[in-house]
Formats: sequence, C-alpha cells, structure tokens
Amino acid sequence: GQSLEQPSEVTAVEGAIVQINCTYQTSGFYGLSWYQQHDGGAPTFLSYNALDGLEETGRFSSFLSRSDSYGYLLLQELQMKDSASYFCAIYNFNKFYFGSGTKLNVKP
Amino acid sequence: SAVISQKPSRDICQRGTSLTIQCQVDSQVTMMFWYRQQPGQSLTLIATANQGSEATYESGFVIDKFPISRPNLTFSTLTVSNMSPEDSSIYLCSVGDPRGEQFFGPGTRLTVL
Repeated sequence: GQSLEQPSEVTAVEGAIVQINCTYQTSGFYGLSWYQQHDGGAPTFLSYNALDGLEETGRFSSFLSRSDSYGYLLLQELQMKDSASYFCAIYNFNKFYFGSGTKLNVKP
Repeated sequence: SAVISQKPSRDICQRGTSLTIQCQVDSQVTMMFWYRQQPGQSLTLIATANQGSEATYESGFVIDKFPISRPNLTFSTLTVSNMSPEDSSIYLCSVGDPRGEQFFGPGTRLTVL
C-alpha cells in the first residue's frame, strides 16, 4: 500500500517562506502532486513532480527526491490567502493517494 | 483543466435510506474518481469509476454499499446505500490525467441522522 506523512500544522507570518514536507512509503509511483484546499472548498491542483528536482510555478515550488522518499512544497512571499490545508498525493497505477494534510496558518 | 459539477451540493438524510450523487464533467475524460473526506481530514479514495465496466473499489469499500455508475465519459453517479450516521461526510468526484493533475467537483456534504 501507500502511506504519505505530513506535519499536521504549520504557522508562518505574512511575507515569509514556508516549506511543507511529505515523506512517503510506496512500492513505486509515477509522480507526486500537491493540492491546496481552503475551508469549505474543494482541493485545487498546485503542482506535479514526475522527476526528481524542483518545479517552480510562481510563488509555489515543489521538490521530489525519490532516493530519499521525500518531497516538499515551498511557498514564498506568503499571503493571508495562503492559509489553507495542503495535501501531497502519489499518482500510481492510474490512481491518486493523498497524504495526511498540513494546515497552514499565515499570521499578519 | 476540466469543469466539474456535482448534485446535490448538500443533503440531510435519514438512516437506512440511500442517496445518489451525480457528477458531470464538461469534457470527455478517462479517469474519474470518488473520494470521501471527513471535515479536517484527508481524502480517502472510494473507487475509480470505469466507463463501460464495473468500478474498481479500494480496500474497505464495497459495491453493495457504494454502487457506482459510469454510463459515458462525462458522467458518473455514486450511491450511498443503507446510510448510517457514520456515512456523514463530504463526497467528492474528481477527474485525473496522466500528467498527474486532478480536478475536483465542489463536493456533496451529506449528513445522516
């Protein structure tokens, strides 16, 4: 099976940089995705790493290291609207399995 | 990206009854999924809805409890059968593509009394 672990909660101040980690155990997978979910809303896709290394999309970057079974989401220039839950997800055999989720609190 | 709608957006049901949730996509898609999410929790995959064949269920979920239909490449339904209060949750449909992206419907908030 698959298991993906994330910190349950992270707090940071507006304008700062925050890193949300995801460690996983799986027998094999195509890639690692990240999703944002605001309270009461549906998850929205942020980024996908098929290969090791860093993918950058505006203020958000995502990193994957298959040798370390580890990935992270990096959010720069934090804004209040970034307060949300963030999930990593493994894409494997045409299915997606989600991590435990990290609640990010951005403070002024 | 795909635009996905779900009906109903929310419902309150009595135990022992069944509810069918509809998911409509604005384009033809191959991969369609159903998830359950308790408030404040992660998403749990219920099943993959396969067009023209039976759905593929994840461990802990069975067809008798969660029958799924997928009559074409733009539509699917999930039925929650013989409901109990433990079935109270948010049910989400999603579509995925081989690039690892996944897009979600707005969800159906179900409360079982």
